[in-house]
Amino acid sequence: EAAVTQSPRNKVAVTGGKVTLSCNQTNNHNNMYWYRQDTGHGLRLIHYSYGAGSTEKGDIPDGYKASRPSQENFSLILELATPSQTSVYFCASGGTAETLYFGSGTRLTVL
Amino acid sequence: QQQVRQSPQSLTVWEGETAILNCSYEDSTFDYFPWYRLFPGESPALLIAIRPVSNKKEDGRFTIFFNKREKKLSLHITDSQPGDSATYFCAASAVDSNYQLIWGSGTKLIIKP
Repeated sequence: EAAVTQSPRNKVAVTGGKVTLSCNQTNNHNNMYWYRQDTGHGLRLIHYSYGAGSTEKGDIPDGYKASRPSQENFSLILELATPSQTSVYFCASGGTAETLYFGSGTRLTVL
Repeated sequence: QQQVRQSPQSLTVWEGETAILNCSYEDSTFDYFPWYRLFPGESPALLIAIRPVSNKKEDGRFTIFFNKREKKLSLHITDSQPGDSATYFCAASAVDSNYQLIWGSGTKLIIKP
């Protein structure tokens, strides 16, 4: 069964602090994605990757970095967290649009 | 530029009624239209999807109606149940965009018992 695991599930950070959100997939999918979900905005693409060593900017990359050290792992890094980055973050993996699987999400609060 | 638009932003219907969620798009190269459902605290999950070769797709109480000429589609949920209360996202992708999904802003559906 396709599996995408995110950690942590919840995170409280202080403004200016560094935050790393982790994602692991066991689907052997090449493509991985980071989205944030805010009411009224739907799912907005932050960064994505086509495979190990690859990261691409999505629609709202400012303030975020991504790292794909292996096929299985894809991290989202907030070097200097701001309150505007308070949101729910979803990681997903997929071979095609028809095979997109999401993790359970990380609720991030930046105080 | 918002390529996939959803309406209404929120919708409340009574249990047993039909909920109608709307979606429109701009890019005529889109060839895959999934609807995802998101329950609070859970992951978005694929509910039902359609390709432009069809104008209708049914799966139990869920039906997509697709109008290629007007670039519109709608999700009909018949005999709505309180358990259908969730946020529903329309999305679209094209084969020449490496299957990147373009997402609508979502419709929050509330079913009142």
